[in-house]
Amino acid sequence: DAGVIQSPRHEVTEMGQEVTLRCKPISGHNSLFWYRQTMMRGLELLIYFNNNVPIDDSGMPEDRFSAKMPNASFSTLKIQPSEPRDSAVYFCASSDWAANYGYTFGSGTRLTVV
Amino acid sequence: DQQVKQNSPSLSVQEGRISILNCDYTNSMFDYFLWYKKYPAEGPTFLISISSIKDKNEDGRFTVFLNKSAKHLSLHIVPSQPGDSAVYFCAASAGGRDDKIIFGKGTRLHILP
Repeated sequence: DAGVIQSPRHEVTEMGQEVTLRCKPISGHNSLFWYRQTMMRGLELLIYFNNNVPIDDSGMPEDRFSAKMPNASFSTLKIQPSEPRDSAVYFCASSDWAANYGYTFGSGTRLTVV
Repeated sequence: DQQVKQNSPSLSVQEGRISILNCDYTNSMFDYFLWYKKYPAEGPTFLISISSIKDKNEDGRFTVFLNKSAKHLSLHIVPSQPGDSAVYFCAASAGGRDDKIIFGKGTRLHILP
């Protein structure tokens, strides 16, 4: 398996623009998680899905953030409009919670909003 | 409010010596604890875990100790090697179907030659 695949690896955008981050989880994993990493707050859980259904979005910072999982093999995290304080590394992770604990993370998307 | 706390942002250890990374948690519902390792430009990777029914788990050079009464866990690496230089995240889960994992801010470990 190729692991969790995120795209793009890097994104630089201007304030006010829409940004879409993409994630392909490991085939067969039924849970998907979006995390954001910053120096100040470390790894924050934004939202997670079980069987494509959003379970907990309490970590989504504002209405500007939205996430979807239209099928078991794809998820998006959208920021609209983007702001400089959204600059961070965004990680997607997937797991088969019924089989074991622990996630497999993607390599992340480094977002810079200028 | 941080439920998982790693109070040391960084730690430097001589190669060959023991590295001890500490972690505290506040949520008494946590029953599973994990350590992840992260290299630059990569995602975190799972290192070792421990269930709350145990107080120690060992895997090669890595040992995790859990003190439930103190709500404290630690990761011991012995002997430390240059490749161990990375950021280490402590994490915890309350288990069950709500398996979201809460991470600490991480500790950057530098192994000195």
